[in-house]
Amino acid sequence: GDSVTQMEGPVTLSEEAFLTINCTYTATGYPSLFWYVQYPGEGLQLLLKATKADDKGSNKGFEATYRKETTSFHLEKGSVQVSDSAVYFCALAYNTDKLIFGTGTRLQVFP
Amino acid sequence: GAVVSQHPSRVICKSGTSVKIECRSLDFQATTMFWYRQFPKQSLMLMATSNEGSKATYEQGVEKDKFLINHASLTLSTLTVTSAHPEDSSFYICSASPQGGTDTQYFGPGTRLTVL
Repeated sequence: GDSVTQMEGPVTLSEEAFLTINCTYTATGYPSLFWYVQYPGEGLQLLLKATKADDKGSNKGFEATYRKETTSFHLEKGSVQVSDSAVYFCALAYNTDKLIFGTGTRLQVFP
Repeated sequence: GAVVSQHPSRVICKSGTSVKIECRSLDFQATTMFWYRQFPKQSLMLMATSNEGSKATYEQGVEKDKFLINHASLTLSTLTVTSAHPEDSSFYICSASPQGGTDTQYFGPGTRLTVL
């Protein structure tokens, strides 16, 4: 079945460091790919998405490119801030169907 | 922005009792609501999808008689864990969608259920 695999956390970085959180997927078709973020005490929020191969989703300085050849959707940010500390979830879905999530990766950014 | 609340945020109950969790969309009408369950260090797993005024659609392996879902209005859905047991202890998360659709889901902050 379809699945999403994320790198285990926590990822610990100093402020202004470069961030990469790896995400790979297994899918029988051509799903849309998503990154969600969960700040402490809050619900998951959609961070960015890509709907087809080679699309790049971007928001708040974060980027991820839909790589069909490597079945990946890695999340990157050039310079993280303390306020980026949160749990990040990679997910896939077909059209309006259910979301399939990865296990989440906790990011901790220290000043 | 769209806000979804859950109540309670934490609940501890004795084995055999029933627990009700509420999910409310505060500033929009939710055509569809989703209930997820998350075990420690594991993915969010969809339990069921509910549309206002109709029966919920449960995912394979989810006991519909154990996890009762009611979506009586466009702003409220409830999940009742009946005759709870320690293995039901988990983090339950709801989401609501004004239009139905994957990328318009707004998530609640979750409810931590502990069954003793």
